[in-house]
Amino acid sequence: QVQLQESGPGLVKPSETLSLTCAVSGYSISSGYFWGWLRQSPEKGLEWIGSISHTGGTYYNPSLNSRVTMSVDTSKNQFSLHLSYVTAADTALYYCTRGGRAAATDAFDIWGQGTMVTISS
Amino acid sequence: QSALIQPASVSGSPGQSITISCTGTSSDVGGYNYVSWYQQHPGKAPKLMISDVSYRPPGVSNRFSGSKSGDTASLTISALQAEDEAVYYCSSYRTSATVVFGGGTKLTVL
Repeated sequence: QVQLQESGPGLVKPSETLSLTCAVSGYSISSGYFWGWLRQSPEKGLEWIGSISHTGGTYYNPSLNSRVTMSVDTSKNQFSLHLSYVTAADTALYYCTRGGRAAATDAFDIWGQGTMVTISS
Repeated sequence: QSALIQPASVSGSPGQSITISCTGTSSDVGGYNYVSWYQQHPGKAPKLMISDVSYRPPGVSNRFSGSKSGDTASLTISALQAEDEAVYYCSSYRTSATVVFGGGTKLTVL
């Protein structure tokens, strides 16, 4: 059974970088699939942040492209999200997900439980 | 405002069928067969119910079905059950390699 678990600070100061990690169990990331990050807030609803392939290819939402970096660590079987220059608008519940095999924009069939991140000084 | 338009709420009685619409444009719903539907119960992560317009992943009840006509996709739930009460979101691939979502539809089982 594939499971995903997000971790990272729940509070980040404005203008700093938000960093989250998603640990994957029950499946080896190096075997395939795209792995994604989404967020959910009352203001913006559900929003796709971006996805990364098992080989490290990255695909970002154009609206966040300039601030997003994703990486994958196959040795630890985890992938990460870094979102720079955050503002209050980045306050949201952040989910890591498993996407499809073929494309970064395929449907997300497995989700972590989500981690709340608040941007505040 | 969300990229895809969904009704804020729908309701139905147990045993009935309901349909939730999701309206986009030719740049997303109408242009590609990459519409997905997610179910979200309070305090839980979304769960994939339908992908690629009408594909039902393993383990999803066959009471859930998806379709598309032009720029509007639809999710139909037949034989409504109390456990179906949740918020449902549609999503679609959009030109320029991104994914967009609807604002969500709250389903109430009366």
